[in-house]
This record gives sequence, C-alpha cells and structure tokens, in this order.
Amino acid sequence: DIQMTQSPSFLSASVGERVTLSCRASQNINKYLDWYQQKLGEAPKLLIYNTNNLHTGIPSRFSGSGSGTDYTLTISSLQPEDVATYFCLQRNSWPYTFGAGTKLELK
Amino acid sequence: EVQLVESGGGLVQPGRSLKLSCLASGFTFSNYGMNWIRQAPGKGLEWVASISSSSSYIYYADTVKGRFTISRDNAKNTLYLQMTSLRSEDTALYYCARLEGYWGQGVMVTVSS
Repeated sequence: DIQMTQSPSFLSASVGERVTLSCRASQNINKYLDWYQQKLGEAPKLLIYNTNNLHTGIPSRFSGSGSGTDYTLTISSLQPEDVATYFCLQRNSWPYTFGAGTKLELK
Repeated sequence: EVQLVESGGGLVQPGRSLKLSCLASGFTFSNYGMNWIRQAPGKGLEWVASISSSSSYIYYADTVKGRFTISRDNAKNTLYLQMTSLRSEDTALYYCARLEGYWGQGVMVTVSS
C-alpha cells in the first residue's frame, strides 16, 4: 500500500502570508494526487485534483504542484476563511490513501 | 445540482450488521464510480471502498475486507455499504463520495455495547 506523509502536522500563519503544505508518497503516484480542505463540522471539499488542477469554484490563491513522490499545496495569500485541516489523497492505485492532515491556524 | 444523501446510520452492538445507503441526484449516476470514505471522531479520513460505474470493479480497504460489501443499484441511483461483524473501531462518520468533487454530509455509525 502507498503511504502518504503530510507535513507539517500543524501550521500557524498570518493573514496575507504565503503558506506551503507538503505531501510525500511512499512511491511514485504519477500525479494522481488530490488536495482537500475540511472545516470543523463540514464534509471535505476538493480543492485541487491531479496535482495542479483547480476544482470548480476554488479561489485562485490555491495552487498545487509536484511529481513523483513529492507534492505541494500553496496558498498564495492566507485568508481567515482558510483556517481548516488539509488532506492529500493518492488515487494512483488501490487502496486509495489519505495523508494524516495538516491543521492550519491563524497566528 | 449534484446531491449525495446518506442514510442508515445509528448505534449498533459489536458483531452486528448495518446497511448504509446513499441516494444520488443531479447527475447520471450510472456513469460514475463511487466511494465510501469514513472519519472516526477527531481523526483523519480513511478510504473504505470503491465501486465502478457498472459494478465490474470493486476494491476495499484491508481494514474492512471480508466484512463490508459495497454495491449499487443504478436504476435507483443508490449506493450501498453492507457492514457486518462490526467492531468498535468502525465507529465513524461515513461519507458517500464521487471523487470528482462531490461528497455527502455523512452518516454516523456508532458501534458500542
């Protein structure tokens, strides 16, 4: 099974700051990597699919990059509404696996 | 508008069974693979099972293989998860999801005596 390691587990940042979250796979996942945002009490929301494709309705301050085993979600200018936990998901092969999440808070 | 509405959750004793349903609307259900994903209280997300559009391909997480069965009825636009031999560690919010970006609000399953 492919293991997904997210870092950091917790991140505190200021409004307007550029934020970078990472996800590392235990083997090549061929860019089949999605990013989700989950706010407290809500279902996860898809932000980015297949590494760098912005899902419909997602603000352009969110972007994704990566290849092979290393992937990144970037928020170009952090907004208060971005406080949430972010998960990555690999869909390269079954069983699909999620990262443990990065909890993003405001400083 | 795509909607996924789960039902069938509740409190169940260890070793018993429960069947979840997910009613889909707003898209051609028979064209898409579907998934169940769960989240234990205060924990992360765990993929549980996937089924292809015509039920030809089915996959399970090792943690549920042999105990859970995913199925679908395309005529009824409904996805199912039959859960047997339930354990306390199966306690979670179960989401029905189309991984192109559509999730239900989840249904809670609590396994406890």
